[in-house]
Amino acid sequence: EPEVTQTPSHQVTQMGQEVILRCVPISNHLYFYWYRQILGQKVEFLVSFYNNEISEKSEIFDDQFSVERPDGSNFTLKIRSTKLEDSAMYFCASTRFMNTEAFFGQGTRLTVV
Amino acid sequence: DQQVKQNSPSLSVQEGRISILNCDYTNSMFDYFLWYKKYPAEGPTFLISISSIKDKNEDGRFTVFLNKSAKHLSLHIVPSQPGDSAVYFCAASEGTSGSRLTFGEGTQLTVNP
Repeated sequence: EPEVTQTPSHQVTQMGQEVILRCVPISNHLYFYWYRQILGQKVEFLVSFYNNEISEKSEIFDDQFSVERPDGSNFTLKIRSTKLEDSAMYFCASTRFMNTEAFFGQGTRLTVV
Repeated sequence: DQQVKQNSPSLSVQEGRISILNCDYTNSMFDYFLWYKKYPAEGPTFLISISSIKDKNEDGRFTVFLNKSAKHLSLHIVPSQPGDSAVYFCAASEGTSGSRLTFGEGTQLTVNP
């Protein structure tokens, strides 16, 4: 069964450093997303991406965040200068069409120290 | 952000009995609702969805009911199995917002043998 894959599974970084989280969405999906879940809190939407551009972003997704689809398969989330409060599980997801079920990756646990 | 709320943080049922998980929402623009199951250290796994034009959707042991007037949905699992023990999230989206999902807090279901 097709699945969304994320790498790495765990990333530890120093505050102020840049991190790139990587995702390979399901191959015939057209919409891509990043969500995060801070420990003990809800899963929160960060950004959606379609047709090589951001279609929507939340108030969390400020100038420190960026997304890219550098080739036909990868979808990346970059945090330019990490803060302690960026520590969370980051989930990538994809959907075939708009308003259909989203399939999630297993997540990347980001720890900022 | 309390647009989607799951008021029960936990639920415990006996194997073979029915599990009923509840979810309330406040945003009347939501028109697509989903249930996800999540194990520790994994991403959310899609279970079942329902469009606002329906009031019931069934898939095997899982049935989702939608009461639009009450802004309430529920997930019924019959019969419950120990392998169903996980955190269950309800999520909702507006058709106009590009499938951005708004999640509830989650309910930890424990099915006892």
